[in-house]
Amino acid sequence: DQQVKQNSPSLSVQEGRISILNCDYTNSMFDYFLWYKKYPAEGPTFLISISSIKDKNEDGRFTVFLNKSAKHLSLHIVPSQPGDSAVYFCAAKGRDSNSGYALNFGKGTSLLVTP
Amino acid sequence: SQTIHQWPATLVQPVGSPLSLECTVEGTSNPNLYWYRQAAGRGLQLLFYSVGIGQISSEVPQNLSASRPQDRQFILSSKKLLLSDSGFYLCAWSGGGRPQHFGDGTRLSIL
Repeated sequence: DQQVKQNSPSLSVQEGRISILNCDYTNSMFDYFLWYKKYPAEGPTFLISISSIKDKNEDGRFTVFLNKSAKHLSLHIVPSQPGDSAVYFCAAKGRDSNSGYALNFGKGTSLLVTP
Repeated sequence: SQTIHQWPATLVQPVGSPLSLECTVEGTSNPNLYWYRQAAGRGLQLLFYSVGIGQISSEVPQNLSASRPQDRQFILSSKKLLLSDSGFYLCAWSGGGRPQHFGDGTRLSIL
């Protein structure tokens, strides 16, 4: 049962333009959301997060937006750079005892930024 | 600073053979530790997590087991590997309210 969904397996964006990666979730108990970036043959690295008490968090070129009513979040990268090409995973963490220690991950979106 | 080490990076094993993957964390004490698997075309699936020595919680029934013999050591094992155990195995740690940090993973291929 996939509680975190990334419906776009891949995305191609031109360098300098905005990249928008989307993520939907089904569990209303999720209260903390994260984005990880993963290069081939490496572990995911933490990128940015947002608590459910906020609707936006910004860190340099990266901004995460949260729409709780729609159970949707998105990651915006602007301007996109070729080094941003990687797989991006959306993850969520919940308040209930079953999920409190672990992250639920989406399947990832492969971003390609072309020169 | 905290670091996480996972080995080996790549492993090729025959069906029916045993498995032992090791993960260690440095620079922190009493971390939460996790084992994830990424199968081909799929996201990261949590296999086990541990909040302390000897405390293991399993998220999915499977052919694998985990142990935490020391505070900063987490081991993933199997007595007999199946073809379906192939995948990319990731160890992670968290603590102090920080996000989970991952090791570089082990690519396991079962022949």
